[in-house]
Amino acid sequence: AQSVTQLDSQVPVFEEAPVELRCNYSSSVSVYLFWYVQYPNQGLQLLLKYLSGSTLVKGINGFEAEFNKSQTSFHLRKPSVHISDTAEYFCAVIDHTGRRALTFGSGTRLQVQP
Amino acid sequence: DTAVSQTPKYLVTQMGNDKSIKCEQNLGHDTMYWYKQDSKKFLKIMFSYNNKELIINETVPNRFSPKSPDKAHLNLHINSLELGDSAVYFCASSQLHKNTEAFFGQGTRLTVV
Repeated sequence: AQSVTQLDSQVPVFEEAPVELRCNYSSSVSVYLFWYVQYPNQGLQLLLKYLSGSTLVKGINGFEAEFNKSQTSFHLRKPSVHISDTAEYFCAVIDHTGRRALTFGSGTRLQVQP
Repeated sequence: DTAVSQTPKYLVTQMGNDKSIKCEQNLGHDTMYWYKQDSKKFLKIMFSYNNKELIINETVPNRFSPKSPDKAHLNLHINSLELGDSAVYFCASSQLHKNTEAFFGQGTRLTVV
């Protein structure tokens, strides 16, 4: 079984400042990792994913994440945020075999202030 | 053209009623899912179908019954609705055994009064 921990439930940040949203996971097998974004009253949209290869992955809207196997982390970063980035962000994992359904973290609310 | 579409988007109903939520995907995926998002935004898998076969069935009350008439459709029927069933229900699809992400619908906000 897998579990995902998002350490920060809320992250307030000023516009144009950098931000990091933290994600740690636990799994007895290899996993794929994802970050999804949920804007108010909308579904989930994929920001980026790590499957294999380079540990630094770039996604949409200027976001990137780095996979660290030794620390079992997959933190999301953006060098300069906009008001429009205000949303809920979810880290998720899926194992390579077996039941193949996403296990989500509890989410981090990114609140960008002017 | 919406990839994963759910209907209705909002559903308000009284306790004890039976209701259904429909989901359709036009991505050609072979696997579909139902997730429940509670009031604290936590997302949890409920069911998954692969090629019309149930492959994931989490600890969900028997009042919840998924039905997949074909690979492109996965409906969720809920009997005898309770206040605690109020949540947002998301349908998703993916291609199993491929390294693709799950695509989500817009969600159905169910409110039981």
